[in-house]
Amino acid sequence: DTAVSQTPKYLVTQMGNDKSIKCEQNLGHDTMYWYKQDSKKFLKIMFSYNNKELIINETVPNRFSPKSPDKAHLNLHINSLELGDSAVYFCASSPRTGGEQYFGPGTRLTVT
Amino acid sequence: AQSVTQPDIHITVSEGASLELRCNYSYGATPYLFWYVQSPGQGLQLLLKYFSGDTLVQGIKGFEAEFKRSQSSFNLRKPSVHWSDAAEYFCAVGARNYGQNFVFGPGTRLSVLP
Repeated sequence: DTAVSQTPKYLVTQMGNDKSIKCEQNLGHDTMYWYKQDSKKFLKIMFSYNNKELIINETVPNRFSPKSPDKAHLNLHINSLELGDSAVYFCASSPRTGGEQYFGPGTRLTVT
Repeated sequence: AQSVTQPDIHITVSEGASLELRCNYSYGATPYLFWYVQSPGQGLQLLLKYFSGDTLVQGIKGFEAEFKRSQSSFNLRKPSVHWSDAAEYFCAVGARNYGQNFVFGPGTRLSVLP
């Protein structure tokens, strides 16, 4: 069983479109995260949720909106996509705040 | 806020040689410390973690790391590198306080010569 899964793995879309990335974890963790990895491999945290509550919201454009329907799922919706949004987006989960994180396989988003 | 530096952007070693990847952190208290590995096109895999106790930590794939409080370092080591170890390695710091960030270093790319 995959511990942290993301769909889709690849996403190619045009500027101005709206898209969503889904994340699910079956580890029973309370905390989930979204990260953005740019072309230079730099990883930046975007959001963190603990038991469906938003606890970290980094300086991310309002076009990005996370949604956590339950503590096993954390989805990322992006409105009005821009070229600069092209990156790999990783979901992760953790059993405790600040503790080890388990990552999904990533979603490579390409905006044309 | 915590921060992490990895002074080496790219390291090349020969297969069978020993390896040490450097990591320095900045944090007001004792942090949680981690090393992750990312193979091309893959997600991040946890190699090892330090929370407290013994400052020499053993991980998977034959890796170990040593926490040195006086130097604010958490260097990763492996006695004999295999070609399959070629990947990107990230050091990370987790804050013990609720609501603070988990911060990754910029990464070190490891190349292995046959």
